[in-house]
Amino acid sequence: AQSVTQPDIHITVSEGASLELRCNYSYGATPYLFWYVQSPGQGLQLLLKYFSGDTLVQGIKGFEAEFKRSQSSFNLRKPSVHWSDAAEYFCAVGATGFNQGGKLIFGQGTELSVKP
Amino acid sequence: NAGVTQTPKFQVLKTGQSMTLQCAQDMNHNSMYWYRQDPGMGLRLIYYSASEGTTDKGEVPNGYNVSRLNKREFSLRLESAAPSQTSVYFCASSPSRVGYTFGSGTRLTVV
Repeated sequence: AQSVTQPDIHITVSEGASLELRCNYSYGATPYLFWYVQSPGQGLQLLLKYFSGDTLVQGIKGFEAEFKRSQSSFNLRKPSVHWSDAAEYFCAVGATGFNQGGKLIFGQGTELSVKP
Repeated sequence: NAGVTQTPKFQVLKTGQSMTLQCAQDMNHNSMYWYRQDPGMGLRLIYYSASEGTTDKGEVPNGYNVSRLNKREFSLRLESAAPSQTSVYFCASSPSRVGYTFGSGTRLTVV
């Protein structure tokens, strides 16, 4: 069965520091991978997605993620974190039959805090 | 351009009461979904509708029913609410594999 693991429940970084949020997935075929961000009390917003091609994908708000098939990972990165990036981040993988129904399986989430 | 609209935003129910969570999208998307979000568990799929006229169970369907009323609307019903259904519920829609558009959520408390 497909699954997504985000090993870090909570991460704190200083403003201006770099950020990497980890995501590991379990999926037999080429995965469809997503990162979403959720600000407090809000719904989820799509940051970026990977379907195929270039393994380094760029997203909104200065985020990028790299797909590494050998490590079954899709880690999210940002070179310099801003206080407004404090939020919860979710990694997701498209489940079997994604093209015909679009089910996504989400990780547990990583809460990001930013120190001044 | 409203996107995905969920009503109500907040609700408190007594154990055993019933209610329906409403969801509507104005983007002409084929697929719609209901997820619940609980601390430390991410989002778990309750039911989904790949297209108008079809619905399927997700990971945690027990205690819920859904209706895809038309292409725009996808409702979630709790027939007899239980405290274990206290959660934040999100509706989402998608045209295909490009990813979801989420509503802002319904925070439900069952006492």
